[in-house]
This record gives sequence, C-alpha cells and structure tokens, in this order.
Amino acid sequence: GAVVSQHPSRVICKSGTSVKIECRSLDFQATTMFWYRQFPKQSLMLMATSNEGSKATYEQGVEKDKFLINHASLTLSTLTVTSAHPEDSSFYICSAKRGGGSDTQYFGPGTRLTVL
Amino acid sequence: SQQGEEDPQALSIQEGENATMNCSYKTSINNLQWYRQNSGRGLVHLILIRSNEREKHSGRLRVTLDTSKKSSSLLITASRAADTASYFCATDANTGGFKTIFGAGTRLFVKA
Repeated sequence: GAVVSQHPSRVICKSGTSVKIECRSLDFQATTMFWYRQFPKQSLMLMATSNEGSKATYEQGVEKDKFLINHASLTLSTLTVTSAHPEDSSFYICSAKRGGGSDTQYFGPGTRLTVL
Repeated sequence: SQQGEEDPQALSIQEGENATMNCSYKTSINNLQWYRQNSGRGLVHLILIRSNEREKHSGRLRVTLDTSKKSSSLLITASRAADTASYFCATDANTGGFKTIFGAGTRLFVKA
C-alpha cells in the first residue's frame, strides 16, 4: 500500500516558537493532502485541504495565519504552527490522496506536539 | 464540524465475542470508511463502502450501509485482545471539494 510519513514524530517546544511538521508521500504523487488535529480521546478534526501548487483551503475556525500550510511539491506538504501556545498542543495527522476526487486516503503516523 | 455520531462511545467485551459499532452521518455521501487507531498512533484504513453498496466483508469485519437512514455499522466477529483500539467512521462528501469528515469514534476494549 501507499506510504505517508511525517516528521518529526514528536516535538516539544517553548511557547512563542514556531514548529514545522512535514508530510511526505513516499511512493506516490499526492495531488491533495489534508491536515487534521486530534485532541486526547477525541476524533480527528479537519484543519485544511492543500492542493499542490495552490493555496490551502482552511476549515471554519482554523486560523490560516497561525497554521501555515505549504504544498510545494507532489510529495511534500508542510504545516507550520506559528507562535505556538500550550493550547496548540495536540496530535497532528496528515493524509494524502492520489487524485483530487473521492479516492483512498493514506494517513501519516502523526506528530505529537507539546508546547510548554 | 464533525459529520456524524458514533455509538457506543466506549465498548468493553470479552475475547471471542462480537463487537458492533454504529455510525450516523448528516449529509449525502460518496462513500463511507472505517478506520482503526491504536492509542497515540496513526490511522489504519479498514474498509471502504460506496454509497451504492449495502454490505461489505473483509476477514472478520462486516460493514453495512443504510443510506436511507444515513447510518453504517461495523461488526468485528470473534474479537481478540489485539482488536483493542478506537474505531472511527469517516465519510467522503462532495461539499465544495472532496474531503473526509470523521465521526466521534468508539473506543473498544477487548478483555483477554
């Protein structure tokens, strides 16, 4: 099956710093990638949809200036949490689809962000 | 916002018993998927059922879909301790762009 990786798997940072999380599709080209966040014992909440070469589409309530998404190539999307605060601590998961339409999503293993 | 609800929120059974989890959703869908997540880990795709399908099997898993009731169920037969995990349904709907929305999830605990 298709493989999606995330880096780093865990990150701890101080309040006010910025953190970049990478999502890579290792063996296929992903025209669309998605970013989710998940709080403990809760479900995944879609944050944004990113298409290669265009601006990300953010879900209602998600601050685009705080969560910067770049999908510069067909195999890489990055999420940067700017000026992180303790309430940004969460599990961030990306997923990738080959095609833009309804298709199987392949999920990354997630990144645990802890902001002190 | 989340697409739907799942019940039960938590389920505890003995090894060997069957586990049934239900999912309801709100909008019309193209397909519905079930995922499994072990604590603190990523998601594992279990099964996808399309809107024109009513039932699908994969090993010990059986999924049903009732589009008239906007609901789906996941049955795990002969459960094992290793099945302990959270299970989520997710729907693909063409709401201004294809995106997958997750239900609240069911936490399954299988006692050995």
